[in-house]
Amino acid sequence: ETVLTQSPGTLSLSPGERATLSCRASQSVSSTYLAWFQQKPGQAPRLLIFGASTRATGIPDRFSGSGSGTDFTLTISRLEPEDFAVYYCQQFGGSPLWTFGQGTKVEVK
Amino acid sequence: EEQLVESGGGLVQPGGSLRLSCAASGFIFNAYTMNWVRQAPGKGLEWISFIQVSSHTIYYADSVKGRFTISRDDAKNSLYLQMNNLRAEDTAVYYCARDHRYAIDIWGQGTMVTVSS
Repeated sequence: ETVLTQSPGTLSLSPGERATLSCRASQSVSSTYLAWFQQKPGQAPRLLIFGASTRATGIPDRFSGSGSGTDFTLTISRLEPEDFAVYYCQQFGGSPLWTFGQGTKVEVK
Repeated sequence: EEQLVESGGGLVQPGGSLRLSCAASGFIFNAYTMNWVRQAPGKGLEWISFIQVSSHTIYYADSVKGRFTISRDDAKNSLYLQMNNLRAEDTAVYYCARDHRYAIDIWGQGTMVTVSS
């Protein structure tokens, strides 16, 4: 089983600041199979990034994904008020078929 | 608009059964692999089941294997999850989710399942 570990658990930042979220896999993951999601309270997750670096439809370009192998990063270049939420990374393949990281909460400082 | 709408959640006693449904609209349902993902209150996301187009291949997480059954009816643009022998730890919001390019690109709004006596 590939375990995804996200860090930090909580990121306290102010609007306008840059957010850097990490997702580390316990074994190498193909970039094709790595995605990032945003989830706000009471809502379903929303796909932000797939294939490690491709933005999903309608996602602003302040969101970017990078990385390979076991280390992946989601960067929000300048935080907008609506970006404060929980972020999850996800990988496909193996058993279980999909695994998620435990999440990083981006909160207002 | 591409949309997934779940139904069928509710309160059930331990050992009981429940059947969740997911109605798809706005896209060609039979062209997509579908999944169920759940989220326990205050917790993270857990994938639980996958069904390929034409039901060719089905997978389950170990936590539900032997108790849950995923199925689809392409004529009705619908996905189902039959849940038997429910446990307290199955309490969660259950999401129907579409698979595209190895990522879940469309999520339903979720349906709450509470297992409690």
